[in-house]
Amino acid sequence: QLQLQESGPGLVKPSETLSLTCTVSGGSISSSSYYWGWIRQPPGKGLEWIGSIYYSGSTYYNPSLKSRVTISVDTSKNQFSLKLSSVTAADMAVYYCARTLSHYYSYMDVWGKGTTVTVSS
Amino acid sequence: EIVLTQSPGTLSLSPGERATLSCRASQSVSSSYLAWYQQKPGQAPRLLIYGASSRATGIPDRFSGSGSGTDFTLTISRLEPEDFAVYYCQQYDSSPRWTFGQGTKVEIK
Repeated sequence: QLQLQESGPGLVKPSETLSLTCTVSGGSISSSSYYWGWIRQPPGKGLEWIGSIYYSGSTYYNPSLKSRVTISVDTSKNQFSLKLSSVTAADMAVYYCARTLSHYYSYMDVWGKGTTVTVSS
Repeated sequence: EIVLTQSPGTLSLSPGERATLSCRASQSVSSSYLAWYQQKPGQAPRLLIYGASSRATGIPDRFSGSGSGTDFTLTISRLEPEDFAVYYCQQYDSSPRWTFGQGTKVEIK
């Protein structure tokens, strides 16, 4: 059974870079049918797509975050990662990673449990 | 950018009642690319419906989706206690980009 697990610091200082990793287990990140994405949810608010990556390394970002986001993939470790630069309090959220099908249909069918990121000095 | 607007913001119903949730898109969305998710407090979202009307694996048949173009609906035929949660619609466009609606909370009346 495919599982995703987010990891990374839970506390980031303002203006610094948030770095998270999603480890995929029970399946390969190199499947041609899926994207691998990051989604976040500020406290008490809705879901926001941050960006996604294909196993080949092609990346797609939310235009509202594009200037600050980098997503990368390491197929040898079955992991993909998120970097968000110049964080502010507005970046405080639960960050989820998710597998996304995008072949005829598109949906996020497997999610990590999420990791909470706090921005504070 | 396609914007998804969900209504109502909150739906107050009793167990056993029918819930009808709306998701309206600012531009036409391919039905293949419209999905619905359920989220309970402290949990990750769970896929309910994909392709506007297909139930995901393990989803009870009291959940159904319908619609096309700019208007989509999630219906829960008879609310069970475990169905009280927040529901999100999501669309994908060919940019590619994924966007979510703001959510509808189904609460116990």
